[in-house]
Amino acid sequence: NAGVMQNPRHLVRRRGQEARLRCSPMKGHSHVYWYRQLPEEGLKFMVYLQKENIIDESGMPKERFSAEFPKEGPSILRIQQVVRGDSAAYFCASSPPQGQGANEQYFGPGTRLTVT
Amino acid sequence: KQEVTQIPAALSVPEGENLVLNCSFTDSAIYNLQWFRQDPGKGLTSLLLIQSSQREQTSGRLNASLDKSSGRSTLYIAASQPGDSATYLCAVPLGKGTASKLTFGTGTRLQVTL
Repeated sequence: NAGVMQNPRHLVRRRGQEARLRCSPMKGHSHVYWYRQLPEEGLKFMVYLQKENIIDESGMPKERFSAEFPKEGPSILRIQQVVRGDSAAYFCASSPPQGQGANEQYFGPGTRLTVT
Repeated sequence: KQEVTQIPAALSVPEGENLVLNCSFTDSAIYNLQWFRQDPGKGLTSLLLIQSSQREQTSGRLNASLDKSSGRSTLYIAASQPGDSATYLCAVPLGKGTASKLTFGTGTRLQVTL
């Protein structure tokens, strides 16, 4: 059973470009979470999604950031018009449906975004 | 608002020592608490998850305890090894449901020396 997959592992973008980060949850998991870790800071929650639904986006910046988890395919975190302050490690986690697996979150290896 | 703090921020011990990492949280109405390990430049590995109804969980040389009423959890590592060197994070869910975003502690950076 493969773990949470994220790609790319490293992404370099120039200021003003778009960044697309992908996350494939563990098999059977229907909940996906995105977290951001800024340099020398802790992990901060961004958004929580289930298939085709955004459940909680309270941690997402109001502009330029969006997330989706379509019926088919991976979850996508999209950052438009990137700025240097977006440089960070972005982690995706998944957990099983409610009532199963005690709500343990399993993390992917992360995507390290560098904005030049 | 839930706040999670970890003490100490950094710790260096010689190989073989037993050690304790501390995690405190301000809102005791938590559903569970999870301990993770993060190696430099890598993702998070889940170590232990303690349900709110449990007082401790064990996995190999690791033992985690939970005292909800005092808002504290400890991670005990027995007979430490250089391979244990990493940053250790505790996290609690913010919501009351079984699936919820996590609030992370500030982390303890552990170095085990030969």
